Amino acid sequence: QVTLKESGPVQVKPAETLTLTCAVSGYSLSSPRVGVSWTRQPPGKALEWLAHVSSRDEKSYSTSLEGRATISKDTSKGQVVLTLANVDPADTGTYFCARSGLDLGQPFDYWGQGALVTVSS
Amino acid sequence: DIQMTQSPSSLGASLGDRVTITCRTSHDISTFLHWYQQKPGKAPKLLIYAASHLQSGVPSRFSGSGSGTDFTLTIAGLQPEDFGTYYCQQSYTSPQFTFGQGTRLDIK
Repeated sequence: QVTLKESGPVQVKPAETLTLTCAVSGYSLSSPRVGVSWTRQPPGKALEWLAHVSSRDEKSYSTSLEGRATISKDTSKGQVVLTLANVDPADTGTYFCARSGLDLGQPFDYWGQGALVTVSS
Repeated sequence: DIQMTQSPSSLGASLGDRVTITCRTSHDISTFLHWYQQKPGKAPKLLIYAASHLQSGVPSRFSGSGSGTDFTLTIAGLQPEDFGTYYCQQSYTSPQFTFGQGTRLDIK
Protein backbone atom coordinates (compact mmCIF):
# COMPACT_ATOMS: atom_id res chain seq x y z
CA GLN A 1 0.00 0.00 0.00
CA VAL A 2 1.04 3.62 -0.47
CA THR A 3 2.79 5.20 2.52
CA LEU A 4 4.76 8.37 3.12
CA LYS A 5 6.90 9.08 6.17
CA GLU A 6 8.67 12.29 7.15
CA SER A 7 11.92 12.44 9.06
CA GLY A 8 14.21 15.21 10.21
CA PRO A 9 15.44 17.16 13.22
CA VAL A 10 13.11 17.93 16.08
CA GLN A 11 14.78 21.27 16.74
CA VAL A 12 16.90 23.69 14.72
CA LYS A 13 18.41 27.04 15.63
CA PRO A 14 17.45 30.33 13.98
CA ALA A 15 19.41 31.08 10.78
CA GLU A 16 20.25 27.39 10.30
CA THR A 17 19.08 25.19 7.41
CA LEU A 18 16.30 22.68 7.99
CA THR A 19 16.40 19.44 5.99
CA LEU A 20 13.40 17.11 5.92
CA THR A 21 13.09 13.79 4.11
CA CYS A 22 9.93 12.11 2.89
CA ALA A 23 10.27 8.38 2.26
CA VAL A 24 7.60 6.96 0.00
CA SER A 25 6.67 3.35 -0.59
CA GLY A 26 4.03 1.47 -2.51
CA TYR A 27 4.55 3.47 -5.69
CA SER A 28 7.34 5.02 -7.75
CA LEU A 29 8.25 8.72 -7.77
CA SER A 30 8.52 8.40 -11.54
CA SER A 31 4.90 7.24 -11.94
CA PRO A 32 3.17 9.48 -14.50
CA ARG A 33 1.07 12.37 -13.14
CA VAL A 34 2.00 11.69 -9.53
CA GLY A 35 3.86 14.30 -7.51
CA VAL A 36 4.82 15.04 -3.92
CA SER A 37 4.12 18.24 -2.01
CA TRP A 38 5.28 19.58 1.34
CA THR A 39 2.73 21.35 3.52
CA ARG A 40 3.24 22.73 7.00
CA GLN A 41 1.03 23.69 9.92
CA PRO A 42 2.15 26.08 12.68
CA PRO A 43 0.76 25.13 16.10
CA GLY A 44 -2.97 25.85 16.20
CA LYS A 45 -3.01 27.32 12.71
CA ALA A 46 -4.05 26.38 9.20
CA LEU A 47 -2.34 24.28 6.58
CA GLU A 48 0.14 26.09 4.34
CA TRP A 49 1.37 24.57 1.08
CA LEU A 50 5.13 24.98 0.61
CA ALA A 51 6.61 23.14 -2.38
CA HIS A 52 5.93 20.47 -5.00
CA VAL A 53 7.94 18.17 -7.24
CA SER A 54 6.29 16.39 -10.15
CA SER A 55 6.96 12.97 -11.68
CA ARG A 56 8.93 14.82 -14.38
CA ASP A 57 11.04 16.58 -11.70
CA GLU A 58 9.40 19.96 -12.26
CA LYS A 59 9.52 22.04 -9.09
CA SER A 60 7.34 24.79 -7.70
CA TYR A 61 7.38 26.82 -4.49
CA SER A 62 5.17 29.03 -2.43
CA THR A 63 6.11 32.67 -2.85
CA SER A 64 5.75 33.07 0.92
CA LEU A 65 9.05 31.19 1.37
CA GLU A 66 10.90 34.02 -0.41
CA GLY A 67 13.34 31.71 -2.16
CA ARG A 68 14.51 29.91 0.99
CA ALA A 69 13.20 26.45 0.00
CA THR A 70 14.59 23.75 -2.27
CA ILE A 71 12.79 20.52 -3.10
CA SER A 72 14.46 17.53 -4.71
CA LYS A 73 13.82 13.86 -5.21
CA ASP A 74 15.81 10.66 -5.50
CA THR A 75 13.64 8.24 -7.42
CA SER A 76 15.92 5.27 -6.84
CA LYS A 77 15.68 5.76 -3.07
CA GLY A 78 12.01 6.74 -3.06
CA GLN A 79 12.79 9.99 -1.23
CA VAL A 80 11.76 13.62 -1.52
CA VAL A 81 13.85 16.17 0.37
CA LEU A 82 12.87 19.68 1.43
CA THR A 83 15.51 22.11 2.61
CA LEU A 84 14.58 25.43 4.15
CA ALA A 85 17.38 27.93 4.64
CA ASN A 86 17.76 30.68 7.22
CA VAL A 87 14.94 29.41 9.44
CA ASP A 88 13.09 31.63 11.87
CA PRO A 89 10.82 30.80 14.84
CA ALA A 90 7.89 31.43 12.47
CA ASP A 91 8.96 28.25 10.65
CA THR A 92 8.02 26.19 13.71
CA GLY A 93 5.31 23.66 13.01
CA THR A 94 4.41 20.23 11.76
CA TYR A 95 5.66 19.46 8.26
CA PHE A 96 3.69 16.99 6.13
CA CYS A 97 4.55 15.41 2.81
CA ALA A 98 1.68 14.26 0.62
CA ARG A 99 1.17 12.63 -2.74
CA SER A 100 -0.78 14.52 -5.35
CA GLY A 101 -2.37 11.65 -7.05
CA LEU A 102 -4.10 10.16 -9.96
CA ASP A 103 -7.58 11.38 -9.14
CA LEU A 104 -9.27 14.17 -11.06
CA GLY A 105 -7.79 17.52 -10.14
CA GLN A 106 -4.70 16.08 -8.41
CA PRO A 107 -5.86 16.10 -4.79
CA PHE A 108 -3.48 15.07 -2.03
CA ASP A 109 -4.66 11.50 -1.59
CA TYR A 110 -1.97 10.11 0.72
CA TRP A 111 -0.24 11.97 3.57
CA GLY A 112 2.60 11.24 5.93
CA GLN A 113 2.08 11.40 9.68
CA GLY A 114 3.94 14.70 9.96
CA ALA A 115 7.18 15.82 11.58
CA LEU A 116 7.14 18.47 14.30
CA VAL A 117 9.98 20.96 14.02
CA THR A 118 10.75 23.68 16.54
CA VAL A 119 12.96 26.63 15.63
CA SER A 120 14.55 27.92 18.79
CA SER A 121 17.92 28.87 20.15
CA ASP B 1 -2.61 34.28 -6.14
CA ILE B 2 -6.00 32.71 -5.55
CA GLN B 3 -7.49 33.61 -2.18
CA MET B 4 -9.73 31.14 -0.41
CA THR B 5 -12.30 32.00 2.24
CA GLN B 6 -14.06 29.37 4.30
CA SER B 7 -17.12 30.03 6.38
CA PRO B 8 -17.90 29.71 9.13
CA SER B 9 -14.53 29.59 10.86
CA SER B 10 -16.08 27.44 13.57
CA LEU B 11 -19.41 25.88 14.38
CA GLY B 12 -21.05 23.59 16.86
CA ALA B 13 -23.68 21.10 15.79
CA SER B 14 -25.67 18.26 17.30
CA LEU B 15 -25.58 14.61 16.36
CA GLY B 16 -27.82 13.96 13.39
CA ASP B 17 -27.67 17.56 12.17
CA ARG B 18 -27.06 18.51 8.58
CA VAL B 19 -23.91 20.65 8.45
CA THR B 20 -22.80 22.89 5.60
CA ILE B 21 -19.37 24.49 5.18
CA THR B 22 -18.65 26.86 2.34
CA CYS B 23 -15.48 27.80 0.49
CA ARG B 24 -15.26 30.82 -1.79
CA THR B 25 -12.34 31.52 -4.13
CA SER B 26 -11.17 34.84 -5.51
CA HIS B 27 -11.02 33.51 -9.08
CA ASP B 28 -12.91 30.93 -11.13
CA ILE B 29 -11.28 27.55 -10.47
CA SER B 30 -13.81 25.37 -12.30
CA THR B 31 -14.08 22.24 -10.11
CA PHE B 32 -10.43 22.05 -9.00
CA LEU B 33 -11.50 22.08 -5.36
CA HIS B 34 -10.92 19.42 -2.72
CA TRP B 35 -12.02 18.94 0.91
CA TYR B 36 -10.02 17.46 3.78
CA GLN B 37 -10.82 16.52 7.38
CA GLN B 38 -8.14 16.86 10.05
CA LYS B 39 -8.29 15.63 13.61
CA PRO B 40 -5.96 16.92 16.34
CA GLY B 41 -2.45 15.57 16.02
CA LYS B 42 -3.22 13.76 12.76
CA ALA B 43 -2.59 14.32 9.08
CA PRO B 44 -5.42 15.64 6.91
CA LYS B 45 -7.62 13.08 5.20
CA LEU B 46 -9.05 13.54 1.72
CA LEU B 47 -12.86 13.48 1.71
CA ILE B 48 -14.00 15.01 -1.58
CA TYR B 49 -12.00 15.69 -4.75
CA ALA B 50 -12.87 17.71 -7.83
CA ALA B 51 -15.67 19.44 -5.93
CA SER B 52 -18.10 16.54 -5.81
CA HIS B 53 -16.30 13.19 -6.05
CA LEU B 54 -16.35 11.10 -2.87
CA GLN B 55 -12.97 9.60 -2.02
CA SER B 56 -12.97 5.83 -1.67
CA GLY B 57 -13.80 4.70 1.86
CA VAL B 58 -15.39 8.00 2.91
CA PRO B 59 -18.96 7.67 4.26
CA SER B 60 -21.72 8.72 1.88
CA ARG B 61 -23.05 11.29 4.39
CA PHE B 62 -20.27 13.54 3.08
CA SER B 63 -20.98 15.33 -0.18
CA GLY B 64 -19.59 18.27 -2.10
CA SER B 65 -20.97 20.64 -4.68
CA GLY B 66 -20.14 23.81 -6.54
CA SER B 67 -18.06 25.14 -9.39
CA GLY B 68 -16.44 28.41 -10.34
CA THR B 69 -15.94 30.36 -7.12
CA ASP B 70 -18.47 28.91 -4.67
CA PHE B 71 -18.27 25.46 -3.13
CA THR B 72 -20.03 23.56 -0.36
CA LEU B 73 -19.23 20.58 1.82
CA THR B 74 -22.27 18.97 3.41
CA ILE B 75 -22.42 16.38 6.16
CA ALA B 76 -25.87 14.79 6.26
CA GLY B 77 -26.54 13.27 9.66
CA LEU B 78 -23.60 14.31 11.85
CA GLN B 79 -21.80 11.48 13.64
CA PRO B 80 -19.52 11.71 16.72
CA GLU B 81 -16.44 10.89 14.65
CA ASP B 82 -17.04 13.90 12.37
CA PHE B 83 -15.56 16.44 14.78
CA GLY B 84 -12.38 18.10 13.61
CA THR B 85 -11.24 20.81 11.27
CA TYR B 86 -12.20 20.89 7.61
CA TYR B 87 -10.08 22.50 4.89
CA CYS B 88 -10.75 23.28 1.27
CA GLN B 89 -7.86 23.32 -1.22
CA GLN B 90 -7.59 24.50 -4.80
CA SER B 91 -5.43 22.83 -7.45
CA TYR B 92 -6.47 25.00 -10.41
CA THR B 93 -3.07 26.66 -10.30
CA SER B 94 -1.23 23.32 -10.01
CA PRO B 95 1.66 22.83 -9.43
CA GLN B 96 0.95 25.61 -6.94
CA PHE B 97 -1.77 24.95 -4.39
CA THR B 98 -3.71 26.90 -1.76
CA PHE B 99 -5.62 25.85 1.34
CA GLY B 100 -8.48 27.65 3.03
CA GLN B 101 -8.11 28.81 6.61
CA GLY B 102 -10.15 25.92 7.99
CA THR B 103 -13.51 25.38 9.67
CA ARG B 104 -13.51 23.87 13.14
CA LEU B 105 -16.50 21.60 13.79
CA ASP B 106 -17.39 20.75 17.37
CA ILE B 107 -20.06 18.35 18.44
CA LYS B 108 -22.53 19.88 20.91
